[in-house]
Amino acid sequence: KQEVTQIPAALSVPEGENLVLNCSFTDSAIYNLQWFRQDPGKGLTSLLLIQSSQREQTSGRLNASLDKSSGRSTLYIAASQPGDSATYLCAVGILTGGGNKLTFGTGTQLKVEL
Amino acid sequence: DTEVTQTPKHLVMGMTNKKSLKCEQHMGHRAMYWYKQKAKKPPELMFVYSYEKLSINESVPSRFSPECPNSSLLNLHLHALQPEDSALYLCASSPKFSGRGGDEQFFGPGTRLTVL
Repeated sequence: KQEVTQIPAALSVPEGENLVLNCSFTDSAIYNLQWFRQDPGKGLTSLLLIQSSQREQTSGRLNASLDKSSGRSTLYIAASQPGDSATYLCAVGILTGGGNKLTFGTGTQLKVEL
Repeated sequence: DTEVTQTPKHLVMGMTNKKSLKCEQHMGHRAMYWYKQKAKKPPELMFVYSYEKLSINESVPSRFSPECPNSSLLNLHLHALQPEDSALYLCASSPKFSGRGGDEQFFGPGTRLTVL
């Protein structure tokens, strides 16, 4: 059974800092990996998708990397802003006969302070 | 149209009620999903529909009954729920499975369900 862990569980940083969120998973036979953000009481917003054959993806100030062999992904946020405050979830996809099953990590709660 | 919509936003129901949650997408996606998220926990997969057919049921109790009437619409019928079923119910969709990992899932805003 795939297990996904995110470290740290919570993070508080001053505005402008560059930061790294970590995600580790136990089964390296993944289909893809997705990073999401979730604001309190809201749905999930997809940030980046990394296919199993890819090593990294970039979108604006966000960069995600994937190392399947070591079971790790990192999300790098450059020049953090208060609007980045949210919970960040990584989700590992495993392709089954029924489709792509996402298993979510427990999340990193980020607060960016002025 | 690049969004997944869910109705209602909030739902309060008694344990003897029957209600339904609705999810729609108009992105031409052929896979649709129901997830359940308890407070302070990550989402957990409940059901997957692929090309309007139920392809994954994660051993969900029968008091939850999914339905996919067409490729744009997904319903979750609720009956005889328990208070512990109170949660945020999230719907998602993704393009047809490419086999290459490019099946990004897009989520709706969720329905906050409270069972009294």
